[in-house]
Amino acid sequence: GESVGLHLPTLSVQEGDNSIINCAYSNSASDYFIWYKQESGKGPQFIIDIRSNMDKRQGQRVTVLLNKTVKHLSLQIAATQPGDSAVYFCAGRAGWGKFQFGAGTQVVVTP
Amino acid sequence: DVKVTQSSRYLVKRTGEKVFLECVQDMDHENMFWYRQDPGLGLRLIYFSYDVKMKEKGDIPEGYSVSREKKERFSLILESASTSQTSMYLCASESQGASTDTQYFGPGTRLTVL
Repeated sequence: GESVGLHLPTLSVQEGDNSIINCAYSNSASDYFIWYKQESGKGPQFIIDIRSNMDKRQGQRVTVLLNKTVKHLSLQIAATQPGDSAVYFCAGRAGWGKFQFGAGTQVVVTP
Repeated sequence: DVKVTQSSRYLVKRTGEKVFLECVQDMDHENMFWYRQDPGLGLRLIYFSYDVKMKEKGDIPEGYSVSREKKERFSLILESASTSQTSMYLCASESQGASTDTQYFGPGTRLTVL
């Protein structure tokens, strides 16, 4: 069946370094993707989204890259800060179908 | 800003109790969703609704029911709570046909069934 998954359960990154979080999806019809950030004890927060007609989208300190050929997307966080410590997960959908969610990567920012 | 609120942040119930989880959104969104979130499994869709009084089963509806009497409110009901339903429950809403398809989430309800 369809699945969306992240490659690593935990990512440890030093403060000030760039973080890269990866996600793979299986449904080639998926055409819309979102990255969420979830801090401990809170609900998921929208970070950035991308449609399949784009390869790259930039926000404030974040960039999402989409590679439809290998069904892979990544979230890059520039100059990672302690406040970036959270679980990050991706979600994808095909048309108005249901979102499929990845399990998440825990990002730990060390001083 | 979109606001999705959930009635409780933490809830402790006993096996066999009937449990109500309420969700309210203030953006006039047509679509609302209930998910549960368990470690290592990601979000799993329980039920969703595209309009008042409409409901559709998600991937794991067993043991749950929902009610949507008003557009802004979507309730999740556990008819007879079991320990396997201990989880984090997340409500989300989205707008149909808007420029963005984003789902906005509430803060979650952490339910413990003893």
